Amino acid sequence: AQSVTQLDSQVPVFEEAPVELRCNYSSSVSVYLFWYVQYPNQGLQLLLKYLSGSTLVKGINGFEAEFNKSQTSFHLRKPSVHISDTAEYFCAVSDYNQGGKLIFGQGTELSVKP
Amino acid sequence: GAVVSQHPSWVICKSGTSVKIECRSLDFQATTMFWYRQFPKQSLMLMATSNEGSKATYEQGVEKDKFLINHASLTLSTLTVTSAHPEDSSFYICSARVQDSYYGYTFGSGTRLTVV
Repeated sequence: AQSVTQLDSQVPVFEEAPVELRCNYSSSVSVYLFWYVQYPNQGLQLLLKYLSGSTLVKGINGFEAEFNKSQTSFHLRKPSVHISDTAEYFCAVSDYNQGGKLIFGQGTELSVKP
Repeated sequence: GAVVSQHPSWVICKSGTSVKIECRSLDFQATTMFWYRQFPKQSLMLMATSNEGSKATYEQGVEKDKFLINHASLTLSTLTVTSAHPEDSSFYICSARVQDSYYGYTFGSGTRLTVV
């Protein structure tokens, strides 16, 4: 079965600093990878997704992620964060063999401080 | 495009009663809907997968008789929490896989259920 591990449960960072949120997934023949953001008491918003092709994926709000097949990683990065980026971030994987279910990592709480 | 409307956004019910949560796809046909449960400060746990016109597939450990899922049309899926108890209090979120788009998932805004 597919699984996702987010290596950091909490990431505190100062405003305008760069940030990286780490995500590793269990290997499979073919996977689709996603990053979502969740604000308190709200649903999930898609930041970006990797399906195939270029390993560097650009998303909304200045976020990007790099798919690394050899390291089974899909880390999320932003060169300069804002206070408004404070939220919970989830990495997720979808696998054909499981009927396209989205399996989520544990989540990383990004806290941006002034 | 690909919007899922989830209602209610929050609900308080008495222990022993049943609560229905609705998810409607507004501008597309949702052949597959996923239902998740999320506890505070935790991740989303997949409860079940429903396909239009067929029985839902429940994840291991999820009580089928307690969490009734109906997906009678391509635009509506419902989750009914039957005989709710305080331990059922949680945040429930639906997600639809956009038809003919394997990689497209859209989420409802979630329902905060509190059982008193």
